[in-house]
Amino acid sequence: GAVVSQHPSRVICKSGTSVKIECRSLDFQATTMFWYRQFPKQSLMLMATSNEGSKATYEQGVEKDKFLINHASLTLSTLTVTSAHPEDSSFYICSVLQGASYGYTFGSGTRLTVV
Amino acid sequence: KQEVTQIPAALSVPEGENLVLNCSFTDSAIYNLQWFRQDPGKGLTSLLLIQSSQREQTSGRLNASLDKSSGRSTLYIAASQPGDSATYLCAAYSGGGADGLTFGKGTHLIIQP
Repeated sequence: GAVVSQHPSRVICKSGTSVKIECRSLDFQATTMFWYRQFPKQSLMLMATSNEGSKATYEQGVEKDKFLINHASLTLSTLTVTSAHPEDSSFYICSVLQGASYGYTFGSGTRLTVV
Repeated sequence: KQEVTQIPAALSVPEGENLVLNCSFTDSAIYNLQWFRQDPGKGLTSLLLIQSSQREQTSGRLNASLDKSSGRSTLYIAASQPGDSATYLCAAYSGGGADGLTFGKGTHLIIQP
């Protein structure tokens, strides 16, 4: 399957600042990447679908102005949490789908803590 | 809407035992079912992927089965080891991108040394 790299693995930021998380598909040209959020002891919640060269598709209830997604190349998608607040503290994970035959590959996740 | 349920939610067994994790899904119209492992604070590692036309997949001590008609999948772990301790998630894929991927809540597994 694909190899997905996500950075940073951990970030602590002050309330009101913005944080950028990168997701790279190292060996697969991904026209689409997916961003998830995971709360403690909960399963993954899909936030948005990142589309290369076009606007992201956000799930219901996800604020697109707060969670800015940029997918400028076939190997890189970024998620920027703008004006972060403590309630944005969570675990964020990206993934790519290399076709139904190979399934989904996930990044290593980013633990965001807003203080 | 697809719903995926994993039983049990948590399991603790002594090292060396064989064990079975269960996953059920409500809509049998799936393309595949994928089992993942998640260690604390880490991302998801894909363990096994079973296509809808397959009945099982094996990788080392892991064996996953799929019965589409009954909406069930099992993950069998043989000769469990402390390093197997993690949360195991199953996810059913019904097509249409990531919004077609439905996760269970996971089984938190602890293997006692």
